[in-house]
Amino acid sequence: EIVLTQSPATLSLSPGERATLSCRASQTVSSYLDWYQQKPGQAPRLLIYDASNRATGIPARFSGSGSGTDFTLTISSLEPEDFAVYHCQQRGNWPLTFGGGTKVEIK
Amino acid sequence: EVQLMESGGGLAQPGGSLRLSCAASGFTFGRHAMSWVRQAPGKGLEWVSTISPTGGTTYYTDSVKGRFTISKDFSKNTMYLQMNSLRAEDTAVYYCAQSTGSSNPFDFWGLGTLVTVSS
Repeated sequence: EIVLTQSPATLSLSPGERATLSCRASQTVSSYLDWYQQKPGQAPRLLIYDASNRATGIPARFSGSGSGTDFTLTISSLEPEDFAVYHCQQRGNWPLTFGGGTKVEIK
Repeated sequence: EVQLMESGGGLAQPGGSLRLSCAASGFTFGRHAMSWVRQAPGKGLEWVSTISPTGGTTYYTDSVKGRFTISKDFSKNTMYLQMNSLRAEDTAVYYCAQSTGSSNPFDFWGLGTLVTVSS
């Protein structure tokens, strides 16, 4: 099973700041890595697929990069609605696995 | 508009059974894979099971193999998760999710249904 480790667990930032979230895989997943945003009491929403492609309707301030085992989600300038939990997920191998999540909170 | 609506959650005793349903609309049901993803209270997401677009192939996480069964009813555009031999650690919100293929991203999610396993 591929283990995904997200860091940091919590990121405290102010609106307008840049957020950089990390996801590291225990073995290569090629580019089969997705990012989801989840707000309290809501279902997750697909943000980025295949490491670097924005899903439909996702603003350009969200970007993804990486391949193999190291991946990054960047939010260039945080908007109030971006404070949420972010999950990475790999589709390179079964079983599909998620990281533990990074909470982006208001500082 | 894609809509996914889960139902069937509730309280079950350890060793008991529940059947979750996910009613789908707004897309061609037979052309999309469907999955169940769960989230225990205060925890991260955990993939549970996936069924291929035609229903011919299924995948399970190890902890539910032999206890849970995923299926599709094409006449009702509904996916099911039959959960037997429930354990306390199965307590979670269960989301259904849609993807283009079995190994594709989860494009759309339902709102979830809560399963609580407790005596």
